[in-house]
Order: sequence, then structure tokens, then C-alpha cells
Amino acid sequence: GAVVSQHPSRVICKSGTSVKIECRSLDFQATTMFWYRQFPKQSLMLMATSNEGSKATYEQGVEKDKFLINHASLTLSTLTVTSAHPEDSSFYICSARGADPETQYFGPGTRLLVL
Amino acid sequence: KQEVTQIPAALSVPEGENLVLNCSFTDSAIYNLQWFRQDPGKGLTSLLLIQSSQREQTSGRLNASLDKSSGRSTLYIAASQPGDSATYLCAVFTGANSKLTFGKGITLSVRP
Repeated sequence: GAVVSQHPSRVICKSGTSVKIECRSLDFQATTMFWYRQFPKQSLMLMATSNEGSKATYEQGVEKDKFLINHASLTLSTLTVTSAHPEDSSFYICSARGADPETQYFGPGTRLLVL
Repeated sequence: KQEVTQIPAALSVPEGENLVLNCSFTDSAIYNLQWFRQDPGKGLTSLLLIQSSQREQTSGRLNASLDKSSGRSTLYIAASQPGDSATYLCAVFTGANSKLTFGKGITLSVRP
């Protein structure tokens, strides 16, 4: 099956710094990528949808200036958490969709801890 | 707005027991429903996907059913094993080029 990778798998940073998370589709071209956030014992909440070469569409309540998303190629999307604060600590998961509009492939997630 | 509910939030059973995990959704106009498994601190593994025109899907000891009209799905796990311990998430896809809506998941613990 299709493989999606994320890097890094874990990151610890100081409050006020920016953190970049990469999401790659390894064996298919992802026309659309999705970024989710998951707090402990909670469901996955969609943050934004990005299509290659265009601006991301953010869900209501998600600050686009704080969570910068770039989808510059068909295999790579990045999420940058700018000026991270402890409340941004969470599990961030990306998913990618290729030719089949009904199937998403999920990455392994990135655990962010902001001190 | 589509809402997906999974109750209970946690379940503990002895090894060998057959069990059913429930999922309900508010808008029956779905394209498909998917069950995922999530191990602690890990990403999602897709278990079964049921198209809206289907009533069930089977994979090994897992069987998922879908009753679209009543907004319900069940995941049946036969002869549960400790290795089945994980969180099971239900998600519905509501349209082409749309997004998945997830439930909060059911954390299953299978006791040896």
C-alpha cells in the first residue's frame, strides 16, 4: 500500500521557537494533503487541507499565520508551527490523497512538546 | 455538520472474547466509512473500509458492518487477543474531495 512518512517523529522545543514538520508521500503523488491535530484521548481534528501549488484551506478556529502550510511538490507538504507555546503541544498527523478521491493514507505522526 | 460518536470510550475484556465496537454518525449521506487502529503514540492503520453501497467487510478476525440508513456501524472482533489492545477509530467520508470526520475512538484492552 501507499506509504506516507513524517519527520521528525518527536520534537521538543522551547516556547517561542518555530518547528517545521515534514510529510512525504513515498510512492505516489499526493495532490492533496491533510494536517490533523490530536490531543490526548481526543479524536483527530482536521487543521487544514492543502493542494499542491495552492494555498491551504484552514478549518474554522485554526490560525493560518501560526500554522504555516506549504505544499510545494506532489510528494511533500510541511507544517510550521510558528512561535510555539505549551498549548501547541500535541500529536500532529498528516495524510495524503492521490488519484483516488476517497482514500487517504496516514503518516505515523509527530509528537510536539513545547516547554 | 457530520458528527461521529463512539461509545464507550474504553473497554476491557478477557482474552478470547468476541466483542463489538459501535460507531454512529448523524448524516447518513456518506460515501464510505472506515475503521482505523491506533497504537499509543503512533499513527493510524486502516483496518476496513466499507463503501456506502456495501453492508459489510471482513478481514481475518475483523468484520465491519454498515447500516447507512440508521447511521450505524459496528466492528466485530472475534477471539480477541492481547495484541488487539489499541484505540479503534471510526471515520466517515461525506463526499468526493471532502474530508474525513473522526469519532473519538474506543480504547480496547484485552487482558491475558
